Amino acid sequence: GNSVTQMEGPVTLSEEAFLTINCTYTATGYPSLFWYVQYPGEGLQLLLKATKADDKGSNKGFEATYRKETTSFHLEKGSVQVSDSAVYFCALGNNAGNMLTFGGGTRLMVKP
Amino acid sequence: NAGVTQTPKFRVLKTGQSMTLLCAQDMNHEYMYWYRQDPGMGLRLIHYSVGEGTTAKGEVPDGYNVSRLKKQNFLLGLESAAPSQTSVYFCASSYSGAALDTQYFGPGTRLTVL
Repeated sequence: GNSVTQMEGPVTLSEEAFLTINCTYTATGYPSLFWYVQYPGEGLQLLLKATKADDKGSNKGFEATYRKETTSFHLEKGSVQVSDSAVYFCALGNNAGNMLTFGGGTRLMVKP
Repeated sequence: NAGVTQTPKFRVLKTGQSMTLLCAQDMNHEYMYWYRQDPGMGLRLIHYSVGEGTTAKGEVPDGYNVSRLKKQNFLLGLESAAPSQTSVYFCASSYSGAALDTQYFGPGTRLTVL
């Protein structure tokens, strides 16, 4: 079946540091890939997505590229801010189009 | 436009009690979902619905029932709560299927079963 593996957190960075959160997946066919973010006390919200190989999703300075050859969708940001502190979830959508499979989440803490 | 709302926000149950969680969305979405979130395990799909009057099982459906009598509402029921159901429950909705579409999440319900 489908599965998503994320690096375990927490990840602690200083403001303006470079961020990478690794995500790899196992799936049949050609799934869509997503990054969702959960701020403290809130539900998840979509950060970015990519629907086919080599697509790059981007939003709010975050980027991730759909790499089919390495089955990866790593999240990056060049300069993090304190306001980026949150839990980040990598997810894939199945080919039938009715289910998301989530990774375990990675907590990011950014210190001033 | 409230988006996705969930009722209640918090609840404490004793083992064996029953309860219903209500999810409502005002975006005219066809698809609705119930997830549970447990530490280190991400979100796992309990049940979902692809339209009014339809329901389907997700990854962890045992111990839960759902109903979608109205397009805007999706109810999650626990008939006999167990401590293993202590979790944070999230409802989500999307216009179409998850493979392409954004899911919009509610704020969550924190349930504790003693």
